[in-house]
Amino acid sequence: AQTVTQSQPEMSVQEAETVTLSCTYDTSENNYYLFWYKQPPSRQMILVIRQEAYKQQNATENRFSVNFQKAAKSFSLKISDSQLGDTAMYFCAHRTTSGTYKYIFGTGTRLKVLA
Amino acid sequence: DGGITQSPKYLFRKEGQNVTLSCEQNLNHDAMYWYRQDPGQGLRLIYYSQIVNDFQKGDIAEGYSVSREKKESFPLTVTSAQKNPTAFYLCASSMGMGNTEAFFGQGTRLTVV
Repeated sequence: AQTVTQSQPEMSVQEAETVTLSCTYDTSENNYYLFWYKQPPSRQMILVIRQEAYKQQNATENRFSVNFQKAAKSFSLKISDSQLGDTAMYFCAHRTTSGTYKYIFGTGTRLKVLA
Repeated sequence: DGGITQSPKYLFRKEGQNVTLSCEQNLNHDAMYWYRQDPGQGLRLIYYSQIVNDFQKGDIAEGYSVSREKKESFPLTVTSAQKNPTAFYLCASSMGMGNTEAFFGQGTRLTVV
């Protein structure tokens, strides 16, 4: 069974600095999808970035980028130029391509951006 | 606007009563999901459905039931058999195949007293 592990329950970063959130996962498949979601205090889940396992190039969305290490089964999220609005829970998620379209989430990292 | 609607936002029930949480989507998505969120435990999958009239148990299905009679709707019933039902419940949907993300509703906070 697929599992997703986020080993940092809480993190903080100064405004304008860079922070990296860690995520590891376990799967027996060669192809799959990975996602980072943000959950601000409103509790609305928002997609931050996605990665397809067969693509070697790391995904980037503005200030957000990932470091995808397939062999190590690692999928970290880097937030550059942190802003106060980045304060939120961040969840890493995995989805198979084998026909069951379920998303497995980690336990989350609570990020606080300090002014 | 397309999206997922969960209702109500807050729900209070007495212990021993069944309660049904509503989830409706107008995104024409095939797949729908129910997750439970508790502090420190992330999102745990309760049930999911990939097509109308079919659904599968997730990791924590005990004490819950679902139906998928229409593509747009995936209601979740929290039964009296669920030992600790107080939680935040999130409904999601996705297109199914391909590199598509799950879209989420705004959630329902259920409190059982």
